[in-house]
Parts: sequence; C-alpha cells; structure tokens
Amino acid sequence: GAGVSQSPSNKVTEKGKDVELRCDPISGHTALYWYRQRLGQGLEFLIYFQGNSAPDKSGLPSDRFSAERTGESVSTLTIQRTQQEDSAVYLCASSLMGDGNGYTFGSGTRLTVV
Amino acid sequence: AQRVTQPEKLLSVFKGAPVELKCNYSYSGSPELFWYVQYSRQRLQLLLRHISRESIKGFTADLNKGETSFHLKKPFAQEEDSAMYYCEPNAGKSTFGDGTTLTVKP
Repeated sequence: GAGVSQSPSNKVTEKGKDVELRCDPISGHTALYWYRQRLGQGLEFLIYFQGNSAPDKSGLPSDRFSAERTGESVSTLTIQRTQQEDSAVYLCASSLMGDGNGYTFGSGTRLTVV
Repeated sequence: AQRVTQPEKLLSVFKGAPVELKCNYSYSGSPELFWYVQYSRQRLQLLLRHISRESIKGFTADLNKGETSFHLKKPFAQEEDSAMYYCEPNAGKSTFGDGTTLTVKP
C-alpha cells in the first residue's frame, strides 16, 4: 500500500485479556519497528525486525509482549494478560534500510485496558 | 550506542518569535540525523533530514559536529507549528529522543 497501515485503530479490552495488534508496512521496506507512546510521553522502542535477521527484542517490557513478522510483510504485536499500564498508543513504522529516507509511521493503535 | 538528548520537554514561544529546539547526539561515526513532527491527532511524520540540507515549513537544522548538535530552527514561529518534535539519530534501529512539545502562543 501507499503507507503503513495499522489495525485496529482503537481497541478497548478488559484487564487480563490478550490483544493482537497488526501492522502492514510499506511494500519493499525491509525494516519494521514497534514503539509505544504513553499519554504525554515520548516514544518507547519495543522491537525491531530487519529482513530475515533475528529481531531485536530488547525493548519489550515483559514476557507478556511478543511480536512476529512473516518475511518482509505483516507484523503482529501480541500482549497477553493485559494490564492497565499497557494502555497507550502502539506505533508501527517501516523503513527501507540505507536509503536515508527515515521512517514512515502508521497512525497507531490506541489500546485502552479497563 | 547512538543516543540523542532533547533537553527541553516543553518549549513555548509567541507567534513570530524565533524558535530553536535542541538536540545533542553522542556517538562515533558519521551521524545521520532526522527530525520528526507529530501534530495533534496526526501520525508521526518525517520533517527533515540533515543529509538533504533542506528547509521544510520554514524549519532548518544544521549538523554541528564540533558541538555534536542538530538543533531545529525557525526564524518566525507560527501557531500551526505547535506540535511534538523528535530528534532521531539514524534511520536504522535507534532510540528517539524524548521529544519536545512546542507551543506557539498567539
């Protein structure tokens, strides 16, 4: 597609439930990133995929968080047993490594845990 | 590790005044620096990149290797510039700065 697409745009879930967030990067972008943005705060790096290399999971806050990416296409971020502190906007971005054009961000998924 | 520091979390100026959002970096090698902007209720988007030496929406940013800085400047701020601004050290895996919220008052 023309841009990075994320779904759903909004998700309200009950504490303790699992949620799955989806990101469709720009076709041909080998790198994909997930960030978390809490209200009024900056970006918090979560995980990074680059081609077929092992993902960099160093930003995942706990083992309740996991992410997968199939090849150079769709990625899903899964949060198990959600907690209220997981409430945030989850942003996905993709980039074509090495071209110096920076990231393209999706519009994010606003997750609210009640 | 590539790191950037944005020392000001909040910055407020009056319309028509000059504005400078600070960004300092600390790492070796040739830096590739970017500024991103997030307007209210819009997605985060690339504003400008130092390699192209461009001016976008009146903003410029010069890489100063001596001071290890990449400050974002605009001579005459407009109300529509009110947004959150992030400095970012590379298009690869990196950590964004904490961001600066700019408010331009009428």
